[in-house]
Formats: sequence, C-alpha cells, structure tokens
Amino acid sequence: NAGVMQNPRHLVRRRGQEARLRCSPMKGHSHVYWYRQLPEEGLKFMVYLQKENIIDESGMPKERFSAEFPKEGPSILRIQQVVRGDSAAYFCASQEGTNEQFFGPGTRLTVL
Amino acid sequence: RKEVEQDPGPFNVPEGATVAFNCTYSNSASQSFFWYRQDCRKEPKLLMSVYSSGNEDGRFTAQLNRASQYISLLIRDSKLSDSATYLCVVNMGGSEKLVFGKGTKLTVNP
Repeated sequence: NAGVMQNPRHLVRRRGQEARLRCSPMKGHSHVYWYRQLPEEGLKFMVYLQKENIIDESGMPKERFSAEFPKEGPSILRIQQVVRGDSAAYFCASQEGTNEQFFGPGTRLTVL
Repeated sequence: RKEVEQDPGPFNVPEGATVAFNCTYSNSASQSFFWYRQDCRKEPKLLMSVYSSGNEDGRFTAQLNRASQYISLLIRDSKLSDSATYLCVVNMGGSEKLVFGKGTKLTVNP
C-alpha cells in the first residue's frame, strides 16, 4: 500500500507563472488536507477536501489559490501568478474517518 | 495569543540525557492532541497521540493537562537518532484540521 504521493517534489517558477501541485492520497482514503510550511515556520492548514467537495478552506489565501479533488485523479493545489512569498513546502495529508493523517513528502516551491 | 505555542529551543543534549518539551494551546474546545516528529526537509510523522491519562511508548512519555491547556513530551535516554524537530499538534475538531506549533529542534550529541 503506497503512501501519500506528491509531485513534483521540487518546482521552480518565475514570478507571475502558475504552479500546480498534485497529491494522490493513500489507497482507500477520501479525505485530503493541504498544509503550507514557510521557511523556519510551522505547518499551516490551508484546505480540507473530500471527493468533489471543499469542506473547509478557511486557511486558503483569498486570491490566486484554489484546490480541487475530482472524482477521478489526484487532488490539485493551484497557485496562479506566483509571487516570491509563495515559496514554501506544501504538504498534503490523507485520512480516512477520524484516524491518523498521513503526510506526503511535500512539494518544495521556489519562486524566482 | 498563538493557537499552539512551544518552547522555542533549540535543545542540545548529550546522548543518554532526558529532555522535556512543553506546549500550550489556546482553544479549550480542542479535542485531540499529538506529537509529531519532522526531520530536516522531510514530512511530519506521527510520534504519538496524547491522552488525558498520560501515555508512554518506550522512551517517550506524553502528558496532557486539559485544565491548564498544557501538553508535554519527555524523552528518556536520548539517542542520536532522536535529533529532529518535535511538533506539538492540536485537532480542534469539526473539520479535523490540525494546528501545528512552530516546533522545537532537538540535537542529540555523541
């Protein structure tokens, strides 16, 4: 049973470009969470999704950020018109029921 | 006040030492409590859940005091492999989102 998978592991973008981060949850998990970790900071919750539904997006910036978890395929975190302040590690976690959240290896986004 | 606050650290201890980490949380409605471990540039991994009665897993002991909104982690007989950042994590309930402290870095020296 493969763990949570994220790709790409490293992503470099220039200011103004779009970044797409993908997360495939563990097999059988239907809950996905996205967290962001800025340099030297703790992880901050961004969004919680179930298949085809956004359950809690209270941690998402109001502009440029969006997330989806379609019926088929991975969850996608999309950042439009990236800025240098978006440089961070983005972690995805999956869960089934109220059990442990398992984290993926993260995507390290660098904005030049 | 931050939702979850931890000792800022860093902690540098010799092998075999006992080290304690403290954490406080602000929301009295918080429902679940955890310690995670994060190695440099890696994802967080669950170390242990924390229960009101206190719980132990080998060299690790976790305590929760709901009245004081305080969580602790004790590591006995520390090993070189314990070197990592320890994250105090609280689940507020509802959507199950986790709230992380900033972490305390531990370095165990030979």
